[in-house]
Amino acid sequence: DTGVSQDPRHKITKRGQNVTFRCDPISEHNRLYWYRQTLGQGPEFLTYFQNEAQLEKSRLLSDRFSAERPKGSFSTLEIQHTEQGDSAMYLCASSETGTNYGYTFGSGTRLTVV
Amino acid sequence: AQSVSQHNHHVILSEAASLELGCNYSYGGTVNLFWYVQYPGQHLQLLLKYFSGDPLVKGIKGFEAEFIKSKFSFNLRKPSVQWSDTAEYFCAVRSSGNTGKLIFGQGTTLQVKP
Repeated sequence: DTGVSQDPRHKITKRGQNVTFRCDPISEHNRLYWYRQTLGQGPEFLTYFQNEAQLEKSRLLSDRFSAERPKGSFSTLEIQHTEQGDSAMYLCASSETGTNYGYTFGSGTRLTVV
Repeated sequence: AQSVSQHNHHVILSEAASLELGCNYSYGGTVNLFWYVQYPGQHLQLLLKYFSGDPLVKGIKGFEAEFIKSKFSFNLRKPSVQWSDTAEYFCAVRSSGNTGKLIFGQGTTLQVKP
């Protein structure tokens, strides 16, 4: 397992369509995070899973966004009825738990809503 | 709410110049601090992190950062930059005891001229 994988790398969609992204974390990491990054900004936290439980969601995550991690391994992030403002890079990160742990980030999925 | 502020949005330096990027955070409790680098087209990579102990931490590629608790700062330094250091740099804070989410600054774009 060489790192965090995200699929697809790029997605172009028409406004109003639904999109789904996938993240495969490092296998022994039980924490998984989704972030969104727009041009010129740092990543913004969206949501967090510990194993299969979604334990925190940002207010940035509107009702059109839903995330799952059904078996505590891979995760999906779905955006329904996409809007142009959803255009961004969606990043996934995973980590272990404990006192002094770091994170491994994936390369991200770049979403363009036209 | 926690926040991270990076003072410089865009820094241009010549090779061999010294670098210092500012980072201030707002949080009154115990924090863990990180600097990440993002090279063009690549994923976020960890440069260095501070959890406890010696406030001067050394990272990869000759970078170091100093945690000054009284100033809520964690500035990144490098004595002599190289053209290959051209990238975007992000400071991030994690408050201990919560879900472990990172709060990022808005980033600093470093351009090193050969």
